[in-house]
Amino acid sequence: NAGVTQTPKFRILKIGQSMTLQCAQDMNHNYMYWYRQDPGMGLKLIYYSVGAGITDKGEVPNGYNVSRSTTEDFPLRLELAAPSQTSVYFCASSTQGGGHEQYFGPGTRLTVT
Amino acid sequence: GENVEQHPSTLSVQEGDSAVIKCTYSDSASNYFPWYKQELGKGPQLIIDIRSNVGEKKDQRIAVTLNKTAKHFSLHITETQPEDSAVYFCAASRGDMRFGAGTRLTVK
Repeated sequence: NAGVTQTPKFRILKIGQSMTLQCAQDMNHNYMYWYRQDPGMGLKLIYYSVGAGITDKGEVPNGYNVSRSTTEDFPLRLELAAPSQTSVYFCASSTQGGGHEQYFGPGTRLTVT
Repeated sequence: GENVEQHPSTLSVQEGDSAVIKCTYSDSASNYFPWYKQELGKGPQLIIDIRSNVGEKKDQRIAVTLNKTAKHFSLHITETQPEDSAVYFCAASRGDMRFGAGTRLTVK
């Protein structure tokens, strides 16, 4: 199993540009998550999904959108990128929500200038 | 919502010594407390977890203790080795997972 994969690893965006961060998992997990990690701030939940076709906002959803058309894929869309979105983005998945282990991808480092 | 505080933010120990990282949480309904290790350039990986019906859990050199009354839990690493150097995150959950800010552990 590849686990959770993310592309790209690095990306530089200009202010106002848009992009999609890709995330895929091959563990047949129902739950998937997007986090951002800022220096010294831990991980903040952006969006999550409990299954194909179902998504919900997390703690910091503004400026982002998600979709979940299949169990495997959970892309994160940034529209009109802003410097405040400079961060490292992690995708994760789990068999169930709440009290269960989350498996993380390797992350995408995004810089908006 | 849940608020998780983690201390210290950095910790340096000599190889073979013990390391202790502490976290407090605010929501008394939280019932799951995992610890994740993040190595440079990688995503976090679960190293140990504990549920609210258990006071202590051990896995080789790693142990976690939970005090529900005081709403705090701690990670203990004994006989530290250079490969233990990483950033460690605590988290608390009763649904949404909330993470602490992380502790950078350096084993010299």
